[in-house]
Amino acid sequence: QQQVKQSPQSLIVQKGGISIINCAYENTAFDYFPWYQQFPGKGPALLIAIRPDVSEKKEGRFTISFNKSAKQFSLHIMDSQPGDSATYFCAAPSLKGNTGKLIFGQGTTLQVKP
Amino acid sequence: SAVISQKPSRDICQRGTSLTIQCQVDSQVTMMFWYRQQPGQSLTLIATANQGSEATYESGFVIDKFPISRPNLTFSTLTVSNMSPEDSSIYLCSVRTGGAGQPQHFGDGTRLSIL
Repeated sequence: QQQVKQSPQSLIVQKGGISIINCAYENTAFDYFPWYQQFPGKGPALLIAIRPDVSEKKEGRFTISFNKSAKQFSLHIMDSQPGDSATYFCAAPSLKGNTGKLIFGQGTTLQVKP
Repeated sequence: SAVISQKPSRDICQRGTSLTIQCQVDSQVTMMFWYRQQPGQSLTLIATANQGSEATYESGFVIDKFPISRPNLTFSTLTVSNMSPEDSSIYLCSVRTGGAGQPQHFGDGTRLSIL
């Protein structure tokens, strides 16, 4: 069964530091790779997404780095803030093409200390 | 992005009963999905809701337990049938507004507790 492995499971970062979360995927369809941010009591909110033909995408303090040959991608949060404290999920498109399905990683709980 | 409304936002139900969760989107979408998220866990896809036809279920999920309807391009329901405490979870609706390259967006979910 197709899997996405996400690490670390939890992360504590000081305010102003860089938070890095990694994901490794298996064979997938050619489609976008998103990151979601989830606060308690809320649904996952799309944070940033990248197509596999792009190696890096930056939106504000959030950057996705994509390594197609290694089948890995990561989320970097620059200048981390206490408001960034949340659970982050990566996802990869299902190998079953044209279904729109996503396979989610296990999640990373980020705590940013003031 | 589309605005997704789920009802109810939470409920406490008795064992053996059924609950229908509604997902309403403010614009027409190409795809609708239902997920389950157990406490502290990741998201697991239950099924793809197909407009005007039977839903496509993932391994481990069956229509008798999780019947799904999608009568049009903006609305879907998920029923959790004959509930047991193991069904206590967050149920999430997500939508995709376009084709390849378009992301999924989620509602805030329904928090379900079974006594």
